[in-house]
Amino acid sequence: AQSVTQPDIHTTVSEGASLELRCNYSYGATPYLFWYVQSPGQGLQLLLKYFSGDTLVQGIKGFEAEFKRSQSSFNLRKPSVHWSDAAEYFCAVGALSSGGSYIPTFGRGTSLIVHP
Amino acid sequence: NAGVTQTPKFRVLKTGQSMTLLCAQDMNHEYMYWYRQDPGMGLRLIHYSVGEGTTAKGEVPDGYNVSRLKKQNFLLGLESAAPSQTSVYFCASSLDRATDTQYFGPGTRLTVL
Repeated sequence: AQSVTQPDIHTTVSEGASLELRCNYSYGATPYLFWYVQSPGQGLQLLLKYFSGDTLVQGIKGFEAEFKRSQSSFNLRKPSVHWSDAAEYFCAVGALSSGGSYIPTFGRGTSLIVHP
Repeated sequence: NAGVTQTPKFRVLKTGQSMTLLCAQDMNHEYMYWYRQDPGMGLRLIHYSVGEGTTAKGEVPDGYNVSRLKKQNFLLGLESAAPSQTSVYFCASSLDRATDTQYFGPGTRLTVL
C-alpha cells in the first residue's frame, strides 16, 4: 500500500525567507503526487500536481515542487514566503488500489508559521 | 457554480444518535469522497464513490455508511454516533479519476458527546 510521510509537523519561517516543505512517499510504481493547502477553517485547495514529464512542477501562488524518484521525494518550495502563506500543507499520493481505482493518500500535514 | 457544498456546517450529537451529512457538487464529477480530519492525523479516507450507484470503503470505514443515489450527491451516515467520531468531515470530488484534482467542500464540524 502507498504511504506519505511529512517529517515536519511545524515549520517556522520569516516573511521573505525561502521555504521548503518535505514529503516522502512509498509506492511501487510511478506515483501521482499532489500538494494541497488548507487555510484555517477552510477546505483544501490544490497547489500543484505531478504525473509525468518535467520533474520540476510549477503551481499557484509561486510554489513549485520537484519530484526525485531516487529519493522518493516531492518537496515543496517557495523562494519568498508571504504572511498569507501561513496555513497547513498536505502532500498526497494517488495510487492504484486493489479495487482498480486510483485512490489518494494524504500525509499528516505540515503547519507553516510565518513570522513578520 | 457553487462547487462542492456540505450540509450542515456544524452539528452536536449525543452518543447513539444518528445523522446524515450531505455533500453536493455541481461540476458533473464522477468521483466523490468522504474524509475525516483529526489533529495530527491528516485526512483519512472513509468511503468513496467512482460513479452514481457505486460506493467503496476507504481507510477508516467502520461506523459509517454512504450512498450515491444521484451523481451530484454523496451522503455520509452515522447510524449510532460515538465520541470517537468527533471530527471535521470533508467531502471532495474529482472529474473522472482519483488522480484528477480534488475539489473540497468547506467541511462539517461534528461533536459527539
